[in-house]
Amino acid sequence: EAQVTQNPRYLITVTGKKLTVTCSQNMNHEYMSWYRQDPGLGLRQIYYSMNVEVTDKGDVPEGYKVSRKEKRNFPLILESPSPNQTSLYFCASSPSQGMTQYFGPGTRLLVL
Amino acid sequence: GQSLEQPSEVTAVEGAIVQINCTYQTSGFYGLSWYQQHDGGAPTFLSYNGLDGLEETGRFSSFLSRSDSYGYLLLQELQMKDSASYFCAVNTNAGKSTFGDGTTLTVKP
Repeated sequence: EAQVTQNPRYLITVTGKKLTVTCSQNMNHEYMSWYRQDPGLGLRQIYYSMNVEVTDKGDVPEGYKVSRKEKRNFPLILESPSPNQTSLYFCASSPSQGMTQYFGPGTRLLVL
Repeated sequence: GQSLEQPSEVTAVEGAIVQINCTYQTSGFYGLSWYQQHDGGAPTFLSYNGLDGLEETGRFSSFLSRSDSYGYLLLQELQMKDSASYFCAVNTNAGKSTFGDGTTLTVKP
């Protein structure tokens, strides 16, 4: 089944404790992206990747890192999480930029 | 940067037609997409316009006017299950994707 998977789905952590949210797609898509969604707001792009080893900042990259070492995986790293990073995070992939994005199920993160 | 405006709420009755407008400001425009999101769920793709005009997919249609930086999503024969949030998103040729804040559609019997 074609899909985007994210792990974990729910995470409670404390300020400053490094964490990684994994994202994987099995559709051989070139484009992948991370978004955060806060109540009442749309999705805000954190980072995106047009292809392997190519990443770029979205609208809200501060406090996040990403890497794209292989086509299928695009992990999101929070080196030192803070409470303002409490949010719902979505990973998405697309055959190429500008085309239909397929979203993962989301990861709910709470930073205490 | 990019910015988008869409109404925050729309209410309609079952069987009706509703139009959700989206105006945007961006540089390097590549295309305008529409997504649906039910409470707590992942956004799902509805429609995409890269060129001016109307795109039709079943009960959903989307329109784009690049000269007016304007698009809309048209939902026909509304059903209760269409109650959800709808987002327009502008894509740039650099790969960035910016979403509007969403329109909450409530369909009443």
